[in-house]
Amino acid sequence: AQSVTQLGSHVSVSEGALVLLRCNYSSSVPPYLFWYVQYPNQGLQLLLKYTSAATLVKGINGFEAEFKKSETSFHLTKPSAHMSDAAEYFCAVTNAGNNRKLIWGLGTSLAVNP
Amino acid sequence: DADVTQTPRNRITKTGKRIMLECSQTKGHDRMYWYRQDPGLGLRLIYYSFDVKDINKGEISDGYSVSRQAQAKFSLSLESAIPNQTALYFCATSVGLAGLNEQFFGPGTRLTVL
Repeated sequence: AQSVTQLGSHVSVSEGALVLLRCNYSSSVPPYLFWYVQYPNQGLQLLLKYTSAATLVKGINGFEAEFKKSETSFHLTKPSAHMSDAAEYFCAVTNAGNNRKLIWGLGTSLAVNP
Repeated sequence: DADVTQTPRNRITKTGKRIMLECSQTKGHDRMYWYRQDPGLGLRLIYYSFDVKDINKGEISDGYSVSRQAQAKFSLSLESAIPNQTALYFCATSVGLAGLNEQFFGPGTRLTVL
């Protein structure tokens, strides 16, 4: 069965510092991987997705993630945090087979300090 | 106009009451989902529907029911609300089997059961 683990339920960085949010997955078949962001009082929106093309994926708002098969990881990074990046971030993976439901991580809350 | 809308946005109800949450979409997607979000528990799938005649239970369907009235509408009902159903509820949509199951979310309904 597929699963997703997000290391660190809360991450705090200073404005201008590197953002690193960790996501590890387990899957017996090549996965599709997603990062979603949830701003306060809003629904989730897609940041970026990995679809077995390039291993380094660029998303919106300056975020990117690198798929590392050997480490079963898909960590999210941003070189310089902005106050507006404060949000909840979710990693997700599709399951195998025809259903293709998303398997979700528990989320990481990112705080950005001035 | 938003592609995925949810009504109501906020609802306070009492234990034992029946309540319906509604979701409408203009994206033309076949697949629709209902999730609940609780702090520290991420997103949990309640029900999902791959088309009007195909409805499936998710991981936490007990105490909930759904109706897919049309391709564009998917309603979630709590037949007899209880306090531990207090949560943030999200509707989402995705394209059918040919897609990568990227999901598009509504803004959420915050439900409080007293």
